[in-house]
Amino acid sequence: GAGVSQSPSNKVTEKGKDVELRCDPISGHTALYWYRQSLGQGLEFLIYFQGNSAPDKSGLPSDRFSAERTGGSVSTLTIQRTQQEDSAVYLCASSPPGLAGSTDTQYFGPGTRLTVL
Amino acid sequence: AQSVTQLDSHVSVSEGTPVLLRCNYSSSYSPSLFWYVQHPNKGLQLLLKYTSAATLVKGINGFEAEFKKSETSFHLTKPSAHMSDAAEYFCVVSVLSGGSYIPTFGRGTSLIVHP
Repeated sequence: GAGVSQSPSNKVTEKGKDVELRCDPISGHTALYWYRQSLGQGLEFLIYFQGNSAPDKSGLPSDRFSAERTGGSVSTLTIQRTQQEDSAVYLCASSPPGLAGSTDTQYFGPGTRLTVL
Repeated sequence: AQSVTQLDSHVSVSEGTPVLLRCNYSSSYSPSLFWYVQHPNKGLQLLLKYTSAATLVKGINGFEAEFKKSETSFHLTKPSAHMSDAAEYFCVVSVLSGGSYIPTFGRGTSLIVHP
């Protein structure tokens, strides 16, 4: 079956421009995560969606970052007025529904490499 | 609060020798623990996970990890390294907090395998 897909795979933009990154989770997965992976760093949690609940935005680094998830499926991460420090690989992951969410395996997409010039 | 520390940023082994990648965690509650692997230019893939069942967890590709509560450790091992094991490995702790399960990733350990 299809895995998690992300688009675009690469994005080069100029400082100050807005960008949108898309994530298509595995069908039926209720949980969706966004992470940022900078060079030589681990994954930094950004935002978490679980079903119809309000998202956990505790990891968003500034108010320039926002995300939405339409219809409980596709998600878009938007970065406004991009800065050079936003350059990183942005990863999306989804997990199936379950009572013990912490035990659910995350299935990762290939990521979007964002370069801000 | 939860945190995870991967004690080595790089581990270098010869093919056929044992692998040990170290991970220590801190958590206020019983954690779920995971190891993920990221091969160059590929997505992250789950190796194994601990969810309060058996403390010795077997994963894919011959890897295993042992949960030691007294040492707050979850080290990853493999008896004999293969060239294809060269990759970045991430230890992850996940605990229910405020109604959400937010995984915390370690900074990663790069495994280098020499012929």
